[in-house]
Order: sequence, then C-alpha cells, then structure tokens
Amino acid sequence: SQKIEQNSEALNIQEGKTATLTCNYTNYSPAYLQWYRQDPGRGPVFLLLIRENEKEKRKERLKVTFDTTLKQSLFHITASQPADSATYLCALPFGGGGATNKLIFGTGTLLAVQP
Amino acid sequence: NAGVTQTPKFRILKIGQSMTLQCTQDMNHNYMYWYRQDPGMGLKLIYYSVGAGITDKGEVPNGYNVSRSTTEDFPLRLELAAPSQTSVYFCASSSVEEIYEQYFGPGTRLTVT
Repeated sequence: SQKIEQNSEALNIQEGKTATLTCNYTNYSPAYLQWYRQDPGRGPVFLLLIRENEKEKRKERLKVTFDTTLKQSLFHITASQPADSATYLCALPFGGGGATNKLIFGTGTLLAVQP
Repeated sequence: NAGVTQTPKFRILKIGQSMTLQCTQDMNHNYMYWYRQDPGMGLKLIYYSVGAGITDKGEVPNGYNVSRSTTEDFPLRLELAAPSQTSVYFCASSSVEEIYEQYFGPGTRLTVT
C-alpha cells in the first residue's frame, strides 16, 4: 500500500531564510500531490497541488517540485516569516482517488521560523 | 460563509457509549469527507460522500457509520465507542469544480475512557 514519509523532526530556521520540506512516497506515482498547512488545534488548510506532469508549481513565496523518478516532492517557503511556523502536510490520492480526491496524508513536518 | 462547522469541539465518552459527530458546510459542496488524526500519525480517511444519498468507505471505516440526507450535513456515528477511537476527527468538503481543494472544519477532539 502507498506510504508517505515526511521528516518527523522539526525544522528550525531563521527568519528570511528558505525552508525546504521533503515528502517521499513509497509505491506508485500519484496523478497529483497536495500540500496543506495545519496550525495547532485547527484543521488543515489547502496550499498547493502539483500534477505528475508538472515539475514545479509556484504560489507567492511557495514553491513545490515533483520528481516521479525519485518519488519525492519538495516544498519550499522563501523569505520565511515567523507566521509561517506550522505543520506542513503532504497528501496524495489513493484507490484511484482522482475522481473523488480520497487522500492519504503524511505525518507532517513542524516548521519553526525564529525571528 | 461559515465554511465547515463541526460540533461538539470536545467530548469524553465511556466505553460502549454511542454518539454522533456533526458536520455542516454552507458552501454547497458535493463532496464531503471524514478523517481521524491520531498523535504523530497522518490523517486517515474514514468515510466520504459524493452527494446526498451516496456514501462510501475510506481507509479506516470499522466502528463508524455515516449518512448524507442533505448536501449540507454529513454526520459521523460511533455506535460502541472503544478506546482505539480516541482521536481528533476532521470533516472536510470540496466542490465539483475545485475537487482537489478540501476545506476542513476545526475538528472534534474525542476521548474514550
């Protein structure tokens, strides 16, 4: 079955630096991959989706890459700010989930941006 | 728009009790989902629905039931609560046009003792 691996250790960086988070999956390459942000005590918030035929996607200070050969997605936040501190979740569809977007999620990586 | 709302926010159940977690969305979304999130684990899909009257199992459906009588509401029923169902439960919804963007509710923290 498909498994998602995200670094369980917190990532601590200085304000203004670029944060890079990694998402690896173990089985078949999905048609797309999503990134969500989750703050403590709240539900996840959708950030970006990248499809298998897209190498890179950008949205403001966010950039996502998708390498189906490495079975990996990288999530970058440039010019990071303390307000970017949160847990970032990687998610991808399972069970032919494209038509219904049934997702499996990684455990998330906690990002802490120090002022 | 209130988005996706969930009630209650917190609940403590005794083993064997039953309860219904409520979920309502006011965005006229066709797709609705229930997830559970255990500490240190990713969210796992319990059930989902593609529209009123249509539901299907997700990854971890055992011990739960759902119904979808209206577009707005998607309640999750626990019939015989077990300690293994202690978790945070999230409801989500998405539209047909933007199916990939799931909107999540604030969650219900459930403890079964």
